[in-house]
Amino acid sequence: RKEVEQDPGPFNVPEGATVAFNCTYSNSASQSFFWYRQDCRKEPKLLMSVYSSGNEDGRFTAQLNRASQYISLLIRDSKLSDSATYLCVVNRGNDMRFGAGTRLTVKP
Amino acid sequence: EAGVAQSPRYKIIEKRQSVAFWCNPISGHATLYWYQQILGQGPKLLIQFQNNGVVDDSQLPKDRFSAERLKGVDSTLKIQPAKLEDSAVYLCASSFILLRELFFGEGSRLTVL
Repeated sequence: RKEVEQDPGPFNVPEGATVAFNCTYSNSASQSFFWYRQDCRKEPKLLMSVYSSGNEDGRFTAQLNRASQYISLLIRDSKLSDSATYLCVVNRGNDMRFGAGTRLTVKP
Repeated sequence: EAGVAQSPRYKIIEKRQSVAFWCNPISGHATLYWYQQILGQGPKLLIQFQNNGVVDDSQLPKDRFSAERLKGVDSTLKIQPAKLEDSAVYLCASSFILLRELFFGEGSRLTVL
């Protein structure tokens, strides 16, 4: 089992749709979780941290399920500008491991 | 605040040649990471420094890759000799402390012919 696994995608959704991504992790001791966004041929940029109680930032909601060892990202009212690859990041000990990413395309 | 600086942005070399990448992290960031990202894949951690000490280099191909972080600030990643499969983007990232959010440089894109 990979340390960090994501939905393979790609996700193709119309503008205004709600889309959700999941990311599972193998190390039950992990304590730091993030979602990053990566545009084509650009570096990853932090989208949001994921907190135990769940957290929201505008149209984006992140949740953590420790019992099942997964994190999720919900995007409401998708915009064309949300088209990107979404990467989940989970710590393994003191270092940070990335998933392979899920590609999202939002279409008019 | 200045971001993470990397150079060169692009490098094309032939196999068996050597190459070096440089990274200057955000001022005050103790943790520095080098990731390798192959097209279509997520970033793969190569090496992580905490100040000038190595935290994890378990995925660094030590027969050809080396990295150092002198004085706990700048870092250099070297590949010698390069192979075709080393073609990738080499991303440097830094964080204020361990387990906090990472900030990435623009990356160094390597093509090995």
